Amino acid sequence: DQQVKQNSPSLSVQEGRISILNCDYTNSMFDYFLWYKKYPAEGPTFLISISSIKDKNEDGRFTVFLNKSAKHLSLHIVPSQPGDSAVYFCAASARHNAGNMLTFGGGTRLMVKP
Amino acid sequence: NAGVTQTPKFRVLKTGQSMTLLCAQDMNHEYMYWYRQDPGMGLRLIHYSVGEGTTAKGEVPDGYNVSRLKKQNFLLGLESAAPSQTSVYFCASSYLVYYEQYFGPGTRLTVT
Repeated sequence: DQQVKQNSPSLSVQEGRISILNCDYTNSMFDYFLWYKKYPAEGPTFLISISSIKDKNEDGRFTVFLNKSAKHLSLHIVPSQPGDSAVYFCAASARHNAGNMLTFGGGTRLMVKP
Repeated sequence: NAGVTQTPKFRVLKTGQSMTLLCAQDMNHEYMYWYRQDPGMGLRLIHYSVGEGTTAKGEVPDGYNVSRLKKQNFLLGLESAAPSQTSVYFCASSYLVYYEQYFGPGTRLTVT
């Protein structure tokens, strides 16, 4: 049973518009969430994170929103650029559990059209 | 800084053959991880290490073994490869268990 799900395998957006990537989780013990970006033939790279004590974290064009009651987080990219085209993974962790690792979603492929 | 490096980048094995994947990091990170990535499955943790000389099982450990003899190196072994182990393998490291993980470029393994 997947504890972290990204229900949209792909998303296509026009350059300059907003990209919204969604992620749902089922484990209420998760208290730290991250987004990773992955280009073909490369390893994932860390993008942005959020602790469960916050509901929003912003870094430049990237903003992550967390809705704990709905067990849902989203990544907003504004404005989207062609270089943002990649696969995006959300991940979650239960930090208070010693040795608990990251659990990843299946990924969403974002395509930003020029 | 090279970050996290993986050797080899590609490999084709026949069923039953063995091999070792090498991961090295130069960031003095305590934690190291091995993941496999399969289409639609995201990244699944195979084994991890919380320090030199220690290893632990992750979500999908069967068919794999690991060793962490030096802090900077984490080895993943396949004793008898099976077609189900065809995947892309990523190594990662982090300063603490819940901090950002830094990934290597991956090893694409095909078992025929």
